[in-house]
Amino acid sequence: EAAVTQSPRNKVAVTGGKVTLSCNQTNNHNNMYWYRQDTGHGLRLIHYSYGAGSTEKGDIPDGYKASRPSQENFSLILELATPSQTSVYFCASGVRDWRSYEQYFGPGTRLTVL
Amino acid sequence: AQSVTQPDARVTVSEGASLQLRCKYSYFGTPYLFWYVQYPRQGLQLLLKYYPGDPVVQGVNGFEAEFSKSNSSFHLRKASVHWSDWAVYFCAVSEGSNYNVLYFGSGTKLTVEP
Repeated sequence: EAAVTQSPRNKVAVTGGKVTLSCNQTNNHNNMYWYRQDTGHGLRLIHYSYGAGSTEKGDIPDGYKASRPSQENFSLILELATPSQTSVYFCASGVRDWRSYEQYFGPGTRLTVL
Repeated sequence: AQSVTQPDARVTVSEGASLQLRCKYSYFGTPYLFWYVQYPRQGLQLLLKYYPGDPVVQGVNGFEAEFSKSNSSFHLRKASVHWSDWAVYFCAVSEGSNYNVLYFGSGTKLTVEP
């Protein structure tokens, strides 16, 4: 059973529109992350959270907001989408434990902003 | 600041040949290192991880990696490549706190020739 799921899997949006990407995890992990993947850049961290109600800025937060209403759910919000935000977005979860630093990834959301 | 460099954007090998994918990291202290694999249109899956200890770590599907502090490297190896290994491989380093933030390299796309 997939432990990290994302919806939608594909999204086409218009410039200036609002986009919400959703992530759900059943791993019961404290930490959750949003990345974007672009050719030549690997994965870059947008926002992360260490528990319900918390959000922290990653390396490229401009133009994005995040929301963590519960342990299981973490959303990425583009209030005013721009074509430069066309990308593949990955959500991940991870434990808050010095013995286990790996993250577990969802299948990704392909976003196209026209 | 932590960073990861994967100097080879693309690598092509023949099926049955050996493989080495290179990874160089920058980190102050003892790093926690990872190799992830991404199959076409899927999320990232953990191949193997290094925590301080034995410098050679074994992963899934016959992969292994060797940590070298003197060279700041964590190269991935496989003795005999299979066509199913065709994928993109990412090296990552953890910043080592309870937030478990990972820093990824730009990835190496592996092509397997028959």
